[in-house]
Amino acid sequence: SQQGEEDPQALSIQEGENATMNCSYKTSINNLQWYRQNSGRGLVHLILIRSNEREKHSGRLRVTLDTSKKSSSLLITASRAADTASYFCATDAISGNTGKLIFGQGTTLQVKP
Amino acid sequence: GAGVSQSPRYKVAKRGQDVALRCDPISGHVSLFWYQQALGQGPEFLTYFQNEAQLDKSGLPSDRFFAERPEGSVSTLKIQRTQQEDSAVYLCASSVERGGSSTQYFGPGTRLTVL
Repeated sequence: SQQGEEDPQALSIQEGENATMNCSYKTSINNLQWYRQNSGRGLVHLILIRSNEREKHSGRLRVTLDTSKKSSSLLITASRAADTASYFCATDAISGNTGKLIFGQGTTLQVKP
Repeated sequence: GAGVSQSPRYKVAKRGQDVALRCDPISGHVSLFWYQQALGQGPEFLTYFQNEAQLDKSGLPSDRFFAERPEGSVSTLKIQRTQQEDSAVYLCASSVERGGSSTQYFGPGTRLTVL
């Protein structure tokens, strides 16, 4: 498997708190994407950050990328119960350029009302 | 517009049976990907199509797995002589551009259970 690593594997917080998830990867990348997956459902794209970007915002989401450390973080501010899901980072490696994504193992987030 | 659709949503097969999983990508999307997701894991790449051409099949786990996209739109993933280790969710994704650097939109997946 070429999957990256995410931590923590599981996170439980109260509604209104912030949640931070981290992702590390192994190879040089074109971009890094974050996806959300609710139980038993498909993956929903959240945000894409390119290798020449360091930070990106989308609503309550903030993503950072450090290519020198091959790591990224996803911050969800003012969390809601509806944010309860699994979150995956996925990298698009430079080599091959087919666009295939290499996923981490995910962080399971539980937001308690 | 419509997203990526997959059918069936659930499939139960007896070991040794052949199965066919269908993916309808977003209309006009050039790239189509298949991924396999085991329980509690992240998705793993299986194969990639650019229009009707299968450009990367490096992730297919064995020669029992076969995928096609004959007209550059609908794709079928076929698994022959299914084994218990094939039990997983099979996800299809499409993107508007060739190659990388564009968002992949995922379907709901087909959950395959091999008994």
